[in-house]
Amino acid sequence: AQTVTQSQPEMSVQEAETVTLSCTYDTSENNYYLFWYKQPPSRQMILVIRQEAYKQQNATENRFSVNFQKAAKSFSLKISDSQLGDTAMYFCAFAAETSGSRLTFGEGTQLTVNP
Amino acid sequence: DGGITQSPKYLFRKEGQNVTLSCEQNLNHDAMYWYRQDPGQGLRLIYYSQIVNDFQKGDIAEGYSVSREKKESFPLTVTSAQKNPTAFYLCASRTDRYSNQPQHFGDGTRLSIL
Repeated sequence: AQTVTQSQPEMSVQEAETVTLSCTYDTSENNYYLFWYKQPPSRQMILVIRQEAYKQQNATENRFSVNFQKAAKSFSLKISDSQLGDTAMYFCAFAAETSGSRLTFGEGTQLTVNP
Repeated sequence: DGGITQSPKYLFRKEGQNVTLSCEQNLNHDAMYWYRQDPGQGLRLIYYSQIVNDFQKGDIAEGYSVSREKKESFPLTVTSAQKNPTAFYLCASRTDRYSNQPQHFGDGTRLSIL
């Protein structure tokens, strides 16, 4: 069974600064994918970024990037130039093809961006 | 526009009553999923279906049932056997279960006990 751990229940950052959210996971799978989802107060689940485990290059999407350390089973999210609209709950999630690509989620990190 | 529609947005259940949450998608996705979210927690998988007329239990299937008679639809029934049904329920779908495509989510249904 897979597990995903987010050790920071809450974080805050000043607008325009950079913040890093941590995520570790445990699995015996070789082929898997990792995701960061954002859940604003509206409670929609919005995909932020994804990473294939077989790719060594870290994924980036505009102001969002990841630091994927496969051996350490670590998958942190870096948000640069934080904006007020980034305030949300952020979930790290794991999916493996052998289990129907079902998502296993961490418990989330509530990020608050302060003006 | 393509997307996932969950209805109703709010639902109330009486003691001993079964209720059904609707999830419809027009994305032509093969796989569909139901998750439960409790306050301040992550999502937990209830059931998922990778193809029509087939579905598998997730981590917390007890007290729930599903059907997948059509590709577009994956309704979730919360039965009276589910003793603590108050939660936020999210439906998701995904194309091509053997790819790295992410899941897309509906807007959710909030279920409460009367």
